[in-house]
Amino acid sequence: DGGITQSPKYLFRKEGQNVTLSCEQNLNHDAMYWYRQDPGQGLRLIYYSQIVNDFQKGDIAEGYSVSREKKESFPLTVTSAQKNPTAFYLCASSFAVGGFSYEQYFGPGTRLTVT
Amino acid sequence: AQTVTQSQPEMSVQEAETVTLSCTYDTSESNYYLFWYKQPPSRQMILVIRQEAYKQQNATENRFSVNFQKAAKSFSLKISDSQLGDTAMYFCALASGYALNFGKGTSLLVTP
Repeated sequence: DGGITQSPKYLFRKEGQNVTLSCEQNLNHDAMYWYRQDPGQGLRLIYYSQIVNDFQKGDIAEGYSVSREKKESFPLTVTSAQKNPTAFYLCASSFAVGGFSYEQYFGPGTRLTVT
Repeated sequence: AQTVTQSQPEMSVQEAETVTLSCTYDTSESNYYLFWYKQPPSRQMILVIRQEAYKQQNATENRFSVNFQKAAKSFSLKISDSQLGDTAMYFCALASGYALNFGKGTSLLVTP
């Protein structure tokens, strides 16, 4: 089955530790995205990547880092510099043509709790 | 800047009834897409329906349809014959380039 997987579903970390969230897709999509969702908020874009080895900052990139070494994979690292990392993180992917991405498909999400 | 506004934080509807969720948006682009996503309690984001701005005809997917008013920048979602499984957060989203801009969502509760 084609789809997007995120692991783990729940993640707990101590303050000051970096943590990496996994995202893999087998939909052959060009573009991949990371969003953050907080209670009462819509989704906010952290980073996106339209091709391998290239990525751009979204609206709230501070304290996060990404890599795109393979088309299928787009891991997100939440660093200790992120002031309020506890949130629900969603990964998405889509086809992208001429800089325009079409409907995005989402993974099941990772709930990160930092104490 | 692009914005998406959902003015109804919460709504409820009885099973088998019809409900309409509102969404307004603002963009200076001429080419864009609009979407409605559903997020049930599982938190999985599910694409419900999409509308291309250049198409005048309103999109329809089974019990879900939209009322797209381009001049008014309005994009409402109508759910007919509501079912208990329709209980979810519904997000309106606008795409005019690389990423989606989301509204803050409407929480819909379908009651027996």
